[in-house]
Amino acid sequence: DGGITQSPKYLFRKEGQNVTLSCEQNLNHDAMYWYRQDPGQGLRLIYYSQIVNDFQKGDIAEGYSVSREKKESFPLTVTSAQKNPTAFYLCASHGLTRNEQFFGPGTRLTVL
Amino acid sequence: AQSVTQLDSQVPVFEEAPVELRCNYSSSVSVYLFWYVQYPNQGLQLLLKYLSGSTLVKGINGFEAEFNKSQTSFHLRKPSVHISDTAEYFCAVSDLVKDNQGGKLIFGQGTELSVKP
Repeated sequence: DGGITQSPKYLFRKEGQNVTLSCEQNLNHDAMYWYRQDPGQGLRLIYYSQIVNDFQKGDIAEGYSVSREKKESFPLTVTSAQKNPTAFYLCASHGLTRNEQFFGPGTRLTVL
Repeated sequence: AQSVTQLDSQVPVFEEAPVELRCNYSSSVSVYLFWYVQYPNQGLQLLLKYLSGSTLVKGINGFEAEFNKSQTSFHLRKPSVHISDTAEYFCAVSDLVKDNQGGKLIFGQGTELSVKP
């Protein structure tokens, strides 16, 4: 079955450590997105990529970094510069001929 | 700039009652409109979308929404809810972009629907 996978589902890290969240899709979609979800705030866009080797900052990119070396993969690194990293992170993808984004199951990051 | 406002953060309703979740948007250009549902600790699932054409859009699980351009609204409705409809619902908007590429999604803050027996 085609879809988006995110791993791990739950992630715990100590404050000051960088951590990388995985996002893989086998939908052959060109565009991929990372969102952060906090209670009562909806989803906010962190980074997005519309083509391999290119990506743009979203609304809350500070303290995060991404890469897009392969079409199917769009990992997100939460750096120690992110002041409040504990949140639920959602990855999504979007094909050029479709109008909606497809979402992965999410990763809940807790920084202790 | 685009924005989306979901007018109710929480909507409690009894099973088999009708429900309406309200969504208003602002945009200076034509848009696509979406409703997504999120069950606890899961990703988002598309319920329905408005791209063009008929202003009444039918989606999965018996939900429907009506696009009202003059009121810039896209309210979600279901005539009779089930316990299993308990979830968070998000309204979202994106620009119409050339060549059907779609665009970035702007989300509302979400509405928690709680269906009670």
